[in-house]
Amino acid sequence: ETGVTQTPRHLVMGMTNKKSLKCEQHLGHNAMYWYKQSAKKPLELMFVYSLEERVENNSVPSRFSPECPNSSHLFLHLHTLQPEDSALYLCASSQEKPTSRAYEQYFGPGTRLTVT
Amino acid sequence: QKEVEQNSGPLSVPEGAIASLNCTYSDRVSQSFFWYRQYSGKSPELIMSIYSNGDKEDGRFTAQLNKASQYVSLLIRDSQPSDSATYLCAVNRYGQNFVFGPGTRLSVLP
Repeated sequence: ETGVTQTPRHLVMGMTNKKSLKCEQHLGHNAMYWYKQSAKKPLELMFVYSLEERVENNSVPSRFSPECPNSSHLFLHLHTLQPEDSALYLCASSQEKPTSRAYEQYFGPGTRLTVT
Repeated sequence: QKEVEQNSGPLSVPEGAIASLNCTYSDRVSQSFFWYRQYSGKSPELIMSIYSNGDKEDGRFTAQLNKASQYVSLLIRDSQPSDSATYLCAVNRYGQNFVFGPGTRLSVLP
C-alpha cells in the first residue's frame, strides 16, 4: 500500500462505546497528525506527533486519546463520545526537514464517525 | 479576527477562465503556506506549497504570497469542470502547528 491509510472508513458508535481509529503511513515520514472536520467548520488540528513524541494537543477533550507506537502508526482511542463528536477524522503525515521550513502534509481518506 | 480567512463562495467561473482564490492570515510569524483541494466526500489533496514572497507556478496553478499584506492566493488557469471542489488554505506558524481556513467552494461551469 502507498500513502496514508485509515481504518475503519466508517464507524457508528453509541455514547458508551469504546473504539479506536487507526492510521498508517507508508511515506517514511516522521510526523503524524489527527484532524477533525465537522460540517461547515474549518479543519481542526487535534494532535501532532513528531518522532513519536506528542508535540501538539489543542485543548482536545480527554475522551479522545491518541497513541503513536512508532513513526508509521497512529491511533485515536475514543470513549464516551458525544453526538457533537460526529465528524470526519483525518490523519495526515509529513516529513520534518531540519534544513527547511516545509511541512507538506499528506492526508489519509478519513474515518466518518457517527455517534448515536 | 479569525486566524485564516477565505471567502466561502461558491465562486463560479466558466470553463477555460481563470479562477482566483484568496486567503488572508493574521499571524505575522507564519512561515509556510499551502493550498489543498478537497472534493466532496474526500480528503484534502495538496496542490501547492509556497514559502517566499512572489509567485510559484506548477502547471495550471500559480500560488502568490505577499507576507507584508499577509495574503496568499491561488490562480487556476484554463479552469476545467474537474477543478470544481473546495480549496483550503493552510498556514504553518511554527513546527507542526497548522491552521486551516474554512475553504472556498469553486464551481467551474461547462
